[in-house]
Amino acid sequence: DTEVTQTPKHLVMGMTNKKSLKCEQHMGHRAMYWYKQKAKKPPELMFVYSYEKLSINESVPSRFSPECPNSSLLNLHLHALQPEDSALYLCASSQVGRAPNYGYTFGSGTRLTVV
Amino acid sequence: AQSVAQPEDQVNVAEGNPLTVKCTYSVSGNPYLFWYVQYPNRGLQFLLKYITGDNLVKGSYGFEAEFNKSQTSFHLKKPSALVSDSALYFCAVRHASYFNKFYFGSGTKLNVKP
Repeated sequence: DTEVTQTPKHLVMGMTNKKSLKCEQHMGHRAMYWYKQKAKKPPELMFVYSYEKLSINESVPSRFSPECPNSSLLNLHLHALQPEDSALYLCASSQVGRAPNYGYTFGSGTRLTVV
Repeated sequence: AQSVAQPEDQVNVAEGNPLTVKCTYSVSGNPYLFWYVQYPNRGLQFLLKYITGDNLVKGSYGFEAEFNKSQTSFHLKKPSALVSDSALYFCAVRHASYFNKFYFGSGTKLNVKP
C-alpha cells in the first residue's frame, strides 16, 4: 500500500460545528503532516508529527487541534472555524530521518468549506 | 534560509512542443530539490528529485529536470507536451539540516493547448 487516504473528500460545516478530518497510511511512515492550501497557492505547513508526537506547530490557531492516535492515523479536529479557513487540507507522510531523499506522499485532500 | 522561486505564474505551450517550468533556489548547504504536480482538487504527486550526482534527473510521465549549480536553478522540462500535462507544478526544497520540512515555490500553472 503506497497511498495516503483522507476522509472525507468534501466537508461543509458551520462556524459553530465540530468536525474532524482523518488521514491514514500503511507505508510504515513515522512522520505525518497537515498542510493547508488555498486556491492556486502552495501548501502551507500546519503540523508535523514524528513518532506520534507533535514536532512542529506552525503557530496554527487553537481552533485546529491535531491528534495522532497511532502510527497509521492522523486526525485534525475542527471547532469554531471561520470562513477564511475554507481550503484544501492535505495530509502527507514520510520516513523519519535526515536522509535527503525522503520525500512526501500526499493524500488527495479534504475540501473544506466553512459557512 | 531555504527557499525556491517560480518566476512564472503560468506557462502556455502547444501540444507536441517542448515545455519548461522554471525554478530557482536559495539554500545553505547542499540543495535537495523536488518537483510535484497537482491536478485539480487532488493532492500533490511526486515527479522527480535531485539529491546528488547527475545533473539531469529523469522522473515520472516523461518529465526531467536539470540541476544547474552555477545558476541555482532546477528547471522542469519535457520534450513533447501533452494536453494531460496541464496542471499546477510546484518546486520544493527540503531543509537538509531540519528533517521533514519542505519549502514550496508559489506554483506554476501549465496550460497545454491542443
